[in-house]
This record gives sequence, C-alpha cells and structure tokens, in this order.
Amino acid sequence: GENVEQHPSTLSVQEGDSAVIKCTYSDSASNYFPWYKQELGKRPQLIIDIRSNVGEKKDQRIAVTLNKTAKHFSLHITETQPEDSAVYFCAASKSRSSNTGKLIFGQGTTLQVKP
Amino acid sequence: EAQVTQNPRYLITVTGKKLTVTCSQNMNHEYMSWYRQDPGLGLRQIYYSMNVEVTDKGDVPEGYKVSRKEKRNFPLILESPSPNQTSLYFCASSPLTGNYGYTFGSGTRLTVV
Repeated sequence: GENVEQHPSTLSVQEGDSAVIKCTYSDSASNYFPWYKQELGKRPQLIIDIRSNVGEKKDQRIAVTLNKTAKHFSLHITETQPEDSAVYFCAASKSRSSNTGKLIFGQGTTLQVKP
Repeated sequence: EAQVTQNPRYLITVTGKKLTVTCSQNMNHEYMSWYRQDPGLGLRQIYYSMNVEVTDKGDVPEGYKVSRKEKRNFPLILESPSPNQTSLYFCASSPLTGNYGYTFGSGTRLTVV
C-alpha cells in the first residue's frame, strides 16, 4: 500500500549548522508533498509544501527538494536556531479529485538544535 | 481567524463510558479527518469525510464512529472506550482543490482507565 518512509528518526545539530530530513514515498501518483512542524504539546503546523511540477521550493531558511524519478523529497533547514527544535513530519498525497485525498505521513523526525 | 477547534483538550474517562470529541472548522473546507498520534507510530488516520453525509474509514477505524451532518462539524465518537484508545487525537480540515494542506486542531489528549 501507500507508504512514506522518513529518516532519520532523531537528529541533533549545533546551532548554526544545517539539518536535512529525507523522505521516500511509494506511490508514483503522489503529487503533493507538505512538511509539518510539531512543537512539544502543540498541533502539527504546515511549514512548507511542494507539488510534483516543481523541483525545489525555498522560504527563508527552509527549503524542500523533490526527485520524482527516485521518489525522494527532502527538507533542508539552514542556520538552525534553538526554536527549530521540534518534530518534523513529511507527507505525500495524490490529487484530491482522484482519491480520498489522504495525506500519508512519515514517522517523524525529532530535531534537537543545541545552543 | 481561520481555525479548527477541538474540544475538550484533555479528557480522562473510564472504560466503556461513551464519549464524543467535537471538531469544528470555520474555513468552509469540504475535507475533514481524524488522526491519532502515538509514540513511534506517527499520525494514523481514523476516519475522514469528503463532504456532508460522506464519511469513510481510514487506517485505524475500529472502536470509533463519526458523523458529518453539517459542513463545519465532524465529531469523533467512542461508543465504548478501551485503554488502547488512550492517545492524542487531532482533527484536521482542508479544501479539496487548490492548496490542500491540512489545518490541524489543537488536539485532544484522551486517557481511558
């Protein structure tokens, strides 16, 4: 069935370093790839997303890249800050008009940024 | 303010006592869904709804019911809660077209003893 694998499960970096989280999806029909950040005790919040017709998208210190051939997408955070510490989830979905519209989530990556 | 409102935020109940977790959104979204979040298991979909009176099972529907009588509301019902339903629950909504990223509610931490 549909599956999204996310790595690593935990990631610890020094403040100012870069962090990269990688996801692989199984359904080649997936065309929408959001990333969510969940701070401790709070709801997941959308931080960036990318569609399959785009290879890369950037928003200040965060960027997402997509390799459709390899069915990989990655989140890149540059110049990390302690407030970036959170759990990050990737997800994949097909077009809502063609299926249930369900987002398939990865297992999450706990990012710790050490001051 | 555009939001998804869940109530209650915290709930402790006993095995077998029926309960309802409410979810309401003010964004006129067609799509609504319930997820449970457990350590090491990520976010798993319980039920979803594409529109009023249209609901379907997600990945872990056993022990849960939902209804969608109005577009804005999507309550989660546990007819006979059991301890394995102790979890953190999130309601989410999104449009069916355009930017269909989810907006999540604040979450409900349920403990069944």
